[in-house]
Amino acid sequence: KAGVTQTPRYLIKTRGQQVTLSCSPISGHRSVSWYQQTPGQGLQFLFEYFSETQRNKGNFPGRFSGRQFSNSRSEMNVSTLELGDSALYLCASSLARDRGNGYTFGSGTRLTVV
Amino acid sequence: AQTVTQSQPEMSVQEAETVTLSCTYDTSESNYYLFWYKQPPSRQMILVIRQEAYKQQNATENRFSVNFQKAAKSFSLKISDSQLGDTAMYFCAFMKHMSNFGNEKLTFGTGTRLTIIP
Repeated sequence: KAGVTQTPRYLIKTRGQQVTLSCSPISGHRSVSWYQQTPGQGLQFLFEYFSETQRNKGNFPGRFSGRQFSNSRSEMNVSTLELGDSALYLCASSLARDRGNGYTFGSGTRLTVV
Repeated sequence: AQTVTQSQPEMSVQEAETVTLSCTYDTSESNYYLFWYKQPPSRQMILVIRQEAYKQQNATENRFSVNFQKAAKSFSLKISDSQLGDTAMYFCAFMKHMSNFGNEKLTFGTGTRLTIIP
């Protein structure tokens, strides 16, 4: 079956712009989480969605937001981009009742802010 | 809050040898999950092995096994008969167990860059 699909793979944006990243989970997975990976801060949790509702949120400013659609696809949005937002953004999906079995990750979107 | 520590930023080993990656964690939770993820240059995080804290038996997956010491809060990964394809960043991760949705998330260590030398 298809894995977790993230689009686009690469993105270059200018400081002050906004960006939307997309994630399609594995079919049947209704829980979608987002993580930010940077060399300095490592992997940090952004938020998790289930049934179109944000269930959990990490310690990020309000410029970072997300949503989930009825087909479980998720988007995250970053407004007023800063240079420090340059990172690999990873999406992960799981069966909501089975997260102890681990999440399946996508290959990420590499965002560069210039 | 939980913390995960990986004290080995880089390791290298000859092909076919055995290597052990270290991970310690700090938590006040009694029921939780531990994971090892592998991130090759393709960037995708791949689940290698998982352990449930309430299970005393160490998890194994083919050439991968863990040494889970709950009292010491240690969770090391052993890779036997290492292969070139094992070259990657390895992340140790913690997630507390909750019966319903709550403050669940993966907390990652800083990673160990493993290089298998031909």
